[in-house]
Amino acid sequence: GAGVSQSPSNKVTEKGKDVELRCDPISGHTALYWYRQSLGQGLEFLIYFQGNSAPDKSGLPSDRFSAERTGGSVSTLTIQRTQQEDSAVYLCASSPQSGDGNGYTFGSGTRLTVV
Amino acid sequence: GQQLNQSPQSMFIQEGEDVSMNCTSSSIFNTWLWYKQDPGEGPVLLIALYKAGELTSNGRLTAQFGITRKDSFLNISASIPSDVGIYFCAGQLRGTDKLIFGTGTRLQVFP
Repeated sequence: GAGVSQSPSNKVTEKGKDVELRCDPISGHTALYWYRQSLGQGLEFLIYFQGNSAPDKSGLPSDRFSAERTGGSVSTLTIQRTQQEDSAVYLCASSPQSGDGNGYTFGSGTRLTVV
Repeated sequence: GQQLNQSPQSMFIQEGEDVSMNCTSSSIFNTWLWYKQDPGEGPVLLIALYKAGELTSNGRLTAQFGITRKDSFLNISASIPSDVGIYFCAGQLRGTDKLIFGTGTRLQVFP
């Protein structure tokens, strides 16, 4: 597609439920990133995929968070047993190659609210 | 997670005024970038800096990559209402592929 597409745009879930957030990167972009933006905060790195390499999961805050990228394209971020502190905007970005901050294109994000 | 120190946190200015914001880090960065985020949207790249001391302009925006490689500033001249938003600095460490973002500067411009 023309841009990075994220769905849903908004998600309200009950504490303890699992949620899945989806990211469709720009076609042909090999690198895909997930960031979390809490209210009034900057962007916190979560996980990074580059081609067929093992993902960099160093930013995932707990083992309740996981992500996968199927076929080198679409990515899903899963949060299990959601907690109220998981409420945030989850942003996905893609770039044509790794190590190219100039090429980051962000989606509009998924606003997650855990009640 | 690791974040850059960005200041000020917020600014309320009148249309036509100039604006300055900066970021500092304890780490040396290979690349500094400045992004703007409008409400309900993801950040959009404004300026990218790749060399220490580099000064780059994009219209009314000017940014510099600090000589020590640990800081950067962004200036906006003659602000207009559409400059409203949150501005983020971001740095890329040598040998890594991810960006580390600042905490953001929220800019409000009054007519």
